[in-house]
Amino acid sequence: DAGVIQSPRHEVTEMGQEVTLRCKPISGHNSLFWYRQTMMRGLELLIYFNNNVPIDDSGMPEDRFSAKMPNASFSTLKIQPSEPRDSAVYFCASSLGFRNEQFFGPGTRLTVL
Amino acid sequence: QQPVQSPQAVILREGEDAVINCSSSKALYSVHWYRQKHGEAPVFLMILLKGGEQKGHDKISASFNEKKQQSSLYLTASQLSYSGTYFCGTGGGTGTASKLTFGTGTRLQVTL
Repeated sequence: DAGVIQSPRHEVTEMGQEVTLRCKPISGHNSLFWYRQTMMRGLELLIYFNNNVPIDDSGMPEDRFSAKMPNASFSTLKIQPSEPRDSAVYFCASSLGFRNEQFFGPGTRLTVL
Repeated sequence: QQPVQSPQAVILREGEDAVINCSSSKALYSVHWYRQKHGEAPVFLMILLKGGEQKGHDKISASFNEKKQQSSLYLTASQLSYSGTYFCGTGGGTGTASKLTFGTGTRLQVTL
């Protein structure tokens, strides 16, 4: 099993640019989560999907952030326009329902200059 | 609201034991424990569910006091590989059980 796959692993961009982060969950998992981790705020849940449907996006900081899950094997998190305060590590995780553990991808380290 | 973890940091000698606590102000359905090493992703350790069900690694043990909305992770006979930051993630009622709120973490360092 390849685990959760995220791309890119590192992204450096300039303020105002659009950033798209990608995630492939573990095959067969029906829940997908996007987290953001910073020193100041720790590990925060941004949004999660169940069976490709967004269930809770209350953690999305503002309208600049959007997430989609067009099918069971792919999800994107988009930031448009990006700002320096968006710099963080973004993790994608997947699980088989809420009674099971979440498996985290390796993360995308985003730096917005 | 973020669950509160204690202690914030602990240093152990190899072979010593440690307890990490996680306390929530909300009613809990589940508690997840993860360990994260520097520059890596969090790795699953244990999940405890309301009603007593538990899943996790054989060498890790934990407790879940539903009434007190608290959980503790017990690390016995610590090894160098136990070093890292430990996070608890708490899940609410059945409608929102998937939504984990993570604590601020407990940094554990095991030395020789």
